[in-house]
Amino acid sequence: QKEVEQNSGPLSVPEGAIASLNCTYSDRGSQSFFWYRQYSGKSPELIMSIYSNGDKEDGRFTAQLNKASQYVSLLIRDSQPSDSATYLCAVEKSSGDKLTFGTGTRLAVRP
Amino acid sequence: KAGVTQTPRYLIKTRGQQVTLSCSPISGHRSVSWYQQTPGQGLQFLFEYFSETQRNKGNFPGRFSGRQFSNSRSEMNVSTLELGDSALYLCASSRQGRYEQYFGPGTRLTVT
Repeated sequence: QKEVEQNSGPLSVPEGAIASLNCTYSDRGSQSFFWYRQYSGKSPELIMSIYSNGDKEDGRFTAQLNKASQYVSLLIRDSQPSDSATYLCAVEKSSGDKLTFGTGTRLAVRP
Repeated sequence: KAGVTQTPRYLIKTRGQQVTLSCSPISGHRSVSWYQQTPGQGLQFLFEYFSETQRNKGNFPGRFSGRQFSNSRSEMNVSTLELGDSALYLCASSRQGRYEQYFGPGTRLTVT
């Protein structure tokens, strides 16, 4: 089992729709979770962090965490073509001071 | 505040050569991590430095090495380059005690 799993996509949604990106992780002791956005040819950019069970909202982005199910998700409301990118889920390893990244989900927002 | 900077941005080398990449973290960040990103493998952790000491190391051969200086700037070195080392090399910095990492623009290495 991979430490952090994401569906590679592409996830295609129409403009204005809600895009839902999912991530599961294997380390039950993990406490810190992050979402990064990476445009083609660019480096990852931190867009959300979440540490407690429940929802955390920031503008059009909502991160959801369920530690019991070892599941993190990112919702993007009112999706725009500019949201088209690869979204990486990152999880802190409980055994050491480092992050483990998923392979990313490619999101395509159709105009 | 200036972001993470990496030099050079692009590099072309031939097999067998060695290469040194440089990273300057965000001011005040003392932790620097290096990653290799390829289309097939995604982001692979190379190593992390904090206060000039390697704190974590990923599963890469000994040809990959790094160091950190007293001003928190870091370098990574790859010796005896192989074709498979062609990748985007990313540096990320973070504050002490924080897991949020901020990435530099990366160095695109092509080995021919």
